[in-house]
Amino acid sequence: KQEVTQIPAALSVPEGENLVLNCSFTDSAIYNLQWFRQDPGKGLTSLLLIQSSQREQTSGRLNASLDKSSGRSTLYIAASQPGDSATYLCAVSNAGNMLTFGGGTRLMVKP
Amino acid sequence: NAGVTQTPKFRILKIGQSMTLQCTQDMNHNYMYWYRQDPGMGLKLIYYSVGAGITDKGEVPNGYNVSRSTTEDFPLRLELAAPSQTSVYFCASIGQYTEAFFGQGTRLTVV
Repeated sequence: KQEVTQIPAALSVPEGENLVLNCSFTDSAIYNLQWFRQDPGKGLTSLLLIQSSQREQTSGRLNASLDKSSGRSTLYIAASQPGDSATYLCAVSNAGNMLTFGGGTRLMVKP
Repeated sequence: NAGVTQTPKFRILKIGQSMTLQCTQDMNHNYMYWYRQDPGMGLKLIYYSVGAGITDKGEVPNGYNVSRSTTEDFPLRLELAAPSQTSVYFCASIGQYTEAFFGQGTRLTVV
């Protein structure tokens, strides 16, 4: 059974800092990995999708890496802003396109 | 494109009542999912479907039923509601090699 773990569970940083969120998974036979953002009381918004054959994806200030063999992914956020405050979730897709989610990292960026 | 639409957004049920949570997507995606998210927790898969006429259980299916008569619609049925089913429910869809799209969620309280 696939298990996904995200560390840390919560993170508070001052504005402007670069930060890294971590995601690990137990079964390396994945199709892809996604990072999502969830604002309080809202649905999930996909930030980055990394296919199993890829090593990283970038979108603006966000960069996600994938090391399938070691079962790890990181989400790097450059020059953090208060608007980045949200919960970040990673999810891996196995056979049948089933997404298994981690517990999330709650990020607070202080002005 | 409206993406994934869930109704209702909020609902209060009494113990033992039944209801159907509606989910519709207009992206012609084959894969659709129902998740529940309890406070401070990640998402747990209830049921999923890989195409019209095909459904299967996820991690926490007890107390729920689904059907998939068309590609667009994937309703979730709660029979004999219990307080343990108080949660936020999310519907999602995925196309071939695409990211997951989520609805805005249904906040359900069973009293």
